[in-house]
Amino acid sequence: EAQVTQNPRYLITVTGKKLTVTCSQNMNHEYMSWYRQDPGLGLRQIYYSMNVEVTDKGDVPEGYKVSRKEKRNFPLILESPSPNQTSLYFCASSLWRGTDTQYFGPGTRLTVL
Amino acid sequence: GQQLNQSPQSMFIQEGEDVSMNCTSSSIFNTWLWYKQDPGEGPVLLIALYKAGELTSNGRLTAQFGITRKDSFLNISASIPSDVGIYFCAGQGAGNMLTFGGGTRLMVKP
Repeated sequence: EAQVTQNPRYLITVTGKKLTVTCSQNMNHEYMSWYRQDPGLGLRQIYYSMNVEVTDKGDVPEGYKVSRKEKRNFPLILESPSPNQTSLYFCASSLWRGTDTQYFGPGTRLTVL
Repeated sequence: GQQLNQSPQSMFIQEGEDVSMNCTSSSIFNTWLWYKQDPGEGPVLLIALYKAGELTSNGRLTAQFGITRKDSFLNISASIPSDVGIYFCAGQGAGNMLTFGGGTRLMVKP
């Protein structure tokens, strides 16, 4: 089954404790992206990747890192999480570019205390 | 960054009514997209618009790419209960970054 998976689905952590949210897709897509969703703000793009080893900043990259060492995986890293990073995070992938049909993962709800 | 203003923020309508929502931008977009998000799920693409003036339908949904390239609207005709959800517009400018609107929460009363 074609899908985007994210782990964990829920995470409660404390300020400053490094964490990684994994994202994996099995559709051989070139384009992958991370978004955060906050009430009233819609989805805001954090980082995206057009291909392996190619990543670019989105609208709100501060406090986040990503890597794209393999086509299927695009982890989101928070080196020193802060409470303002409490949010719902979505990973997405598409065949070539962001305006192709993007397939979204199920979301990761992160709470930083 | 770029900003998209989506309105209305929420709508509570009777089943069978038509719905209209729109997005406006302070800058020009080359592509407009409309997504729907069901509770507990990620967004799903409904309609993609690639050319100014383009009018595209997907079943009961119709969306248009504004002539100025700074706006787009989505219409839903004859709404049904399963139309409930949050609808997002998104635009792509010169780069590959996508900007999303704040969403329109649609509630349908049977």
